[in-house]
Parts: sequence; C-alpha cells; structure tokens
Amino acid sequence: LAKTTQPISMDSYEGQEVNITCSHNNIATNDYITWYQQFPSQGPRFIIQGYKTKVTNEVASLFIPADRKSSTLSLPRVSLSDTAVYYCLVVAYKYIFGTGTRLKVLA
Amino acid sequence: EAGVAQSPRYKIIEKRQSVAFWCNPISGHATLYWYQQILGQGPKLLIQFQNNGVVDDSQLPKDRFSAERLKGVDSTLKIQPAKLEDSAVYLCASRYRGTSGSTDTQYFGPGTRLTVL
Repeated sequence: LAKTTQPISMDSYEGQEVNITCSHNNIATNDYITWYQQFPSQGPRFIIQGYKTKVTNEVASLFIPADRKSSTLSLPRVSLSDTAVYYCLVVAYKYIFGTGTRLKVLA
Repeated sequence: EAGVAQSPRYKIIEKRQSVAFWCNPISGHATLYWYQQILGQGPKLLIQFQNNGVVDDSQLPKDRFSAERLKGVDSTLKIQPAKLEDSAVYLCASRYRGTSGSTDTQYFGPGTRLTVL
C-alpha cells in the first residue's frame, strides 16, 4: 500500500494561494490520489480526486506530474475558514490516512 | 441528500464500562466503515462492511470491540470493557460501492467523541 508524505504544518495569509505537496513514491497503477479536509469536531470531507495531469473543481486544483510520484493540492485565495487539516491519500481500495498537513490561515 | 448520521456525538464513561455507537450511512451506500481517530492523528480503519458482511476487521481489537450491520443498512460499534486508551473520536463513513477499483469516495459522519475516565 502506497505511503504518503506531506508537511506537518503550514501557515498562510488570507487571500494567498496555498500549495500543499504530497509525496507518494510507491503509488500503484490502480491508485487514485485523493485529498480530504478536516475541521475540528467534524469528519473528513472530500475535496478532490485525480489520476494524472490536472483536475480542478470549485474548491481546489490538483496537479499530478506524469510519473505520479507526487501531487500538489492548490487552494486559491484562502480565507480564515480554510484553516483545517488536509490529508493526502492514494486509494485503490483501502483508505489509509497519515497525520495530514495542518494549515493555519492568518488574517 | 442526507449525510452519514452518528449518535451520540459525545460520550463519557469510566474504564471497564461498556459503550455503543450508532451509524446510519447514506441511503443506498453498500460499504460502511468505522474509524478510530486519536487526537493529533489521522483516522485509522477499524472495520469495513460490504452490505452486511465484514470485509476487513484486521485492525479491530476483537477482545473488546465488536461491530455489526445486521440488515446491511445501519451499524453499531461496541466497546466492552473500555480502556483509557480508547478515548478517541469514532468516525463512521459510507461509500456507494467501495469495491476494488471503484473511484467513488467515502463520506464521513461527524463522529462520536469518547472520553474514558
């Protein structure tokens, strides 16, 4: 099962773009890259999922290079309400969560 | 669409007592998961059901934890007897299919915060 590595924490200011990079060197052919967001006292919430190249939705963009050994979650113009823990997972069947990246958005 | 429902939201018990948590998944979702999330860590899978059958319970401490999904819909997770280290948030999640190769995502409930004194 692919293991992911991502920064433990990041700080940003309101209105900035935030990029969180995740390393997954052992990703398998069938694995998809999935990102979740978790606020205190809530369950994780799905943000975005992709297999290769770039995926964009109303919340974020996900950039995946050709070798798929890493991925970058991009959050445009963050606000205070984006302060949360962000989890990167590589999923074919089983979800294995790491400790995630604690993003703190400052005013 | 209603989300995953869990109850209670909070529970405080003393060690060696028993406790049960309830989960109602999103309607039509075949796969149901129970996770344990200790403060500062990511969720850890305890058990996975596909309809009413257990698919994966390899990380469930079976000497004290049990779970069932009798009719393939809602589920209960029980701890008996509880230990101090069981203090955590217990999350339920569901997925439409959840079979190997499917790309449908998991939807999580709000969790039950258990404190064992």
